[in-house]
Amino acid sequence: ELQLLESGGGLVQPGGSLRLSCAASGFTFSNYAMTWVRQAPGKGLEWVSAISGSGGHIYYTDSVKGRFTISRDNSKNTLYLQMNSLRAEDTAVYYCAKGGEYKWLDPWGQGTLVTVSS
Amino acid sequence: EIVLTQSPATLSLSPGERATLSCRASQSVSNYLDWYQQKPGQAPRLLIYDASTRATGIPARFSGSGSGTDFTLTISSLEPEDFAVYYCQQRFNWPPITFGQGTRLEIK
Repeated sequence: ELQLLESGGGLVQPGGSLRLSCAASGFTFSNYAMTWVRQAPGKGLEWVSAISGSGGHIYYTDSVKGRFTISRDNSKNTLYLQMNSLRAEDTAVYYCAKGGEYKWLDPWGQGTLVTVSS
Repeated sequence: EIVLTQSPATLSLSPGERATLSCRASQSVSNYLDWYQQKPGQAPRLLIYDASTRATGIPARFSGSGSGTDFTLTISSLEPEDFAVYYCQQRFNWPPITFGQGTRLEIK
């Protein structure tokens, strides 16, 4: 069964950092692009970042460029999102999803909540 | 950036009725258009990809149509578990991948 499990969310002060992880199982992880999507409380879905299967191609939405870094460790079947210089507007549930690079997103993890507040 | 506009924002129907949800793109996305369902407290779930192909395990009452700029998600006969928020998403011209703002399907 394909499964994605996020971790690493929590409460952080403005300007702080967090690293999210997404552990994948049930498929050949290195063969697929992976994507992070976030959802602010009560709001819609926002694409954040994507990475190719090899890790050689990386993409970000403009609002996180220079602050967030996506990466993957194919030996550990794990996707990461390093988030620095966090702002209140980064508060959201962060989902990882299999897909991206012109492929649909399926499945999605259960999400991890990031709250940026003093 | 391609903007996706979904209508209506809220749709109030009864179980057994037919639901028609619309998604319009600001420019052509060919058929690179997907639909997701999200229930409260849950992650989104893929329903339809490439505008009209049902994802694995999705019931036949869900169907998608359209190409270019105008797309439709149809639920032929609503079941109680279908009341949720539905999002369209394009992956033709990216980054960024963009989502519509969502249509809330509620019980009348």
